[in-house]
Amino acid sequence: DTAVSQTPKYLVTQMGNDKSIKCEQNLGHDTMYWYKQDSKKFLKIMFSYNNKELIINETVPNRFSPKSPDKAHLNLHINSLELGDSAVYFCASSQDPGTPGANVLTFGAGSRLTVL
Amino acid sequence: AQKITQTQPGMFVQEKEAVTLDCTYDTSDPSYGLFWYKQPSSGEMIFLIYQGSYDQQNATEGRYSLNFQKARKSANLVISASQLGDSAMYFCAMRGQNSGYSTLTFGKGTMLLVSP
Repeated sequence: DTAVSQTPKYLVTQMGNDKSIKCEQNLGHDTMYWYKQDSKKFLKIMFSYNNKELIINETVPNRFSPKSPDKAHLNLHINSLELGDSAVYFCASSQDPGTPGANVLTFGAGSRLTVL
Repeated sequence: AQKITQTQPGMFVQEKEAVTLDCTYDTSDPSYGLFWYKQPSSGEMIFLIYQGSYDQQNATEGRYSLNFQKARKSANLVISASQLGDSAMYFCAMRGQNSGYSTLTFGKGTMLLVSP
């Protein structure tokens, strides 16, 4: 059973299109994240949700809109895709702060987005 | 703000030898956590080891140990008895305090190549 699963794993699309990446975790975690890894392998936090509520938004363009229908899912929708959006997007989850497992983020396998 | 510095873009080691991957950090938080993640060529992010800033002893997990020197603000990863499967990108990360929830700030990574 995959703990944090993302779909699709690969996504190739044209500039200007709208696309979504889905993420689901079966760990019972309350907090979920989206990270972006650029072409130089640098990982940066984009969003964090706790129990369906947005708690962190790290100056990401409005074209990126996360949606959390329930605490096990955090989807990422991107409007009007640009060349610079090409990257690997990682979903992750962790337990609530103050719990023993809160320190560790469990990552999905990543979704490679290529914008042409 | 937190900052993680990994000064070694790449490291080479022979199988069965030990290797140290460097990591220094900067933070004004009195309490923080330090992490190492491994990213093999397949792309997934694998948690290796965690060190809390108030932990009295250095963390160890199997062949991985974290050489934590708080006064020097360093958290080097030591891999003993390297194996071919250890070839991967290694990221040092720090847990930031943002609205009371955990986010990870990553370094730029070190590519480790293990040769036979």
